[in-house]
Amino acid sequence: ETGVTQTPRHLVMGMTNKKSLKCEQHLGHNAMYWYKQSAKKPLELMFVYNFKEQTENNSVPSRFSPECPNSSHLFLHLHTLQPEDSALYLCASSWTGGNGELFFGEGSRLTVL
Amino acid sequence: GESVGLHLPTLSVQEGDNSIINCAYSNSASDYFIWYKQESGKGPQFIIDIRSNMDKRQGQRVTVLLNKTVKHLSLQIAATQPGDSAVYFCAEKGNAGNMLTFGGGTRLMVKP
Repeated sequence: ETGVTQTPRHLVMGMTNKKSLKCEQHLGHNAMYWYKQSAKKPLELMFVYNFKEQTENNSVPSRFSPECPNSSHLFLHLHTLQPEDSALYLCASSWTGGNGELFFGEGSRLTVL
Repeated sequence: GESVGLHLPTLSVQEGDNSIINCAYSNSASDYFIWYKQESGKGPQFIIDIRSNMDKRQGQRVTVLLNKTVKHLSLQIAATQPGDSAVYFCAEKGNAGNMLTFGGGTRLMVKP
């Protein structure tokens, strides 16, 4: 139990579907992150939220839409994805201004058909 | 959580031997470094960290060495066990901001 919970753990969707990934952290952190881990590249930072405000968008296509309603919850809304978007999507949290250590969830394995 | 298909450097060791995993970092201004372990089907987990004002830090069966002159970080695992089989990532944080930059990872395989 890492204190960061991601659902669903596995998701299969077609290119025309709309789905969402959910992340919840129980660590009292104030920063949350989405990372993409694919078979062809190492960990890629997608989005960062500090105190519910988006502070980083790492040139992510608009078919990925993040939402952070509060410091404990983070969503990644998915729409008209491509097969190359198939990957493990990892959520993480941390303290803003802390040493930088990230606490990761178990990930959501996404397959786009 | 495994990086299936990703061409990761692989280190294969015999159970009971010591393992050394290396990482070269790029930012000479980085002031904090972390090693993460990612087992199959799981997210990365913190193993050990070190600040730039230190050159060595020891944990339980693990030691991290930092050589700032050549920008090199290593993770030593003593008496490697089958449960140590995983992908290991190093991460560095610059002295401005809170962002970690991750290395590509090394797959450790422990032979019984």
